[in-house]
Amino acid sequence: GESVGLHLPTLSVQEGDNSIINCAYSNSASDYFIWYKQESGKGPQFIIDIRSNMDKRQGQRVTVLLNKTVKHLSLQIAATQPGDSAVYFCAEILSPDSSYKLIFGSGTRLLVRP
Amino acid sequence: GAVVSQHPSRVICKSGTSVKIECRSLDFQATTMFWYRQFPKQSLMLMATSNEGSKATYEQGVEKDKFLINHASLTLSTLTVTSAHPEDSSFYICSAIAETPPYEQYFGPGTRLTVT
Repeated sequence: GESVGLHLPTLSVQEGDNSIINCAYSNSASDYFIWYKQESGKGPQFIIDIRSNMDKRQGQRVTVLLNKTVKHLSLQIAATQPGDSAVYFCAEILSPDSSYKLIFGSGTRLLVRP
Repeated sequence: GAVVSQHPSRVICKSGTSVKIECRSLDFQATTMFWYRQFPKQSLMLMATSNEGSKATYEQGVEKDKFLINHASLTLSTLTVTSAHPEDSSFYICSAIAETPPYEQYFGPGTRLTVT
């Protein structure tokens, strides 16, 4: 497979604080990126996406920043809530030879302290 | 929103037996579905791309004879783990791409396979 099989780093934040989760992607040709949230024992849930021709996109309480120069993606969660506790993955779309692949990054576990 | 289901949600089988996992798109048609495997505390690893009416495309290192994929209709793909061994124990997740804009990819809830 293409994803990195590392144990998940953990980010612990106080409820109400802002969270920033970072991700490095691998392919400079990727033109579409997505952040997913995964709760224990469940499938990934779409949070927000961004195309490579943008450097910032905002949603409800979430903002994604894209730095193509250093191939870096970040997810900012404002006023973090206990329900935000989960594992967060960035994913990139690879389209080699007209096919389509969604490749996941290594993930970060977010723990929200009450 | 669009829903993808998986069945079963959990399965325990004995070593050497085969297990079939179903992935269904409930309210949309999907020419393309994907199968991922996720080990504990790790990321999702793409195993294969399932194409309706044609052979699946497997990622490097994934044995096509061990992980049989059948995409017989626009709403159903199946993954069969043949001659399962304890090291095949994992969380298997499928996803499907809608055929109409905005072509979003929807994930199933996953299937926990335990091989004893």
